[in-house]
Amino acid sequence: EAGVAQSPRYKIIEKRQSVAFWCNPISGHATLYWYQQILGQGPKLLIQFQNNGVVDDSQLPKDRFSAERLKGVDSTLKIQPAKLEDSAVYLCASGQSGEQYFGPGTRLTVT
Amino acid sequence: AQSVTQPDIHITVSEGASLELRCNYSYGATPYLFWYVQSPGQGLQLLLKYFSGDTLVQGIKGFEAEFKRSQSSFNLRKPSVHWSDAAEYFCAVGAPRFGNDMRFGAGTRLTVKP
Repeated sequence: EAGVAQSPRYKIIEKRQSVAFWCNPISGHATLYWYQQILGQGPKLLIQFQNNGVVDDSQLPKDRFSAERLKGVDSTLKIQPAKLEDSAVYLCASGQSGEQYFGPGTRLTVT
Repeated sequence: AQSVTQPDIHITVSEGASLELRCNYSYGATPYLFWYVQSPGQGLQLLLKYFSGDTLVQGIKGFEAEFKRSQSSFNLRKPSVHWSDAAEYFCAVGAPRFGNDMRFGAGTRLTVKP
């Protein structure tokens, strides 16, 4: 069974630029999550989708972050404009029956 | 909302020694509880989980954890640590509702001495 796929694996941008991350979940998983993991911290949930609907986006900085999952399968997370404090690893996870399976993450560096 | 505390930021053990990593949670009902391991540059791998039933759960790589409701704890244990166990360990608590909203602790970094 293929795992959660994410791209790109690494991205370096300057502050005020925009960036997008892509995630393809495990086939059949209705729930998809985006997390932000700052160096030295645990992952923080940004947004949770159930199929193509948003279940929880209470911790998403909506002035600069957006996410979509239009067809209920893959998802994109966008940051526009980026700030220095957005430097982190962005993890995508998919799940069912209470479990979550994580992708390898995208490491974003904002300079 | 639920929350997790991992009191130990960094632990060093000798190879072959036993290990216990602490995790305390806050949640108003019986939560879902998880332990994940993260090696440098890697994603998170699920070690074990507790949803209900037997409070001692077995996971992969020889790990086990015990849910103690009275102490709001879910400590991770391994009887004999291997050098390959060196990694970051995260405890997480999920709300057992539709979608499993999950919160992670700050992590415990494990160093294994030869």
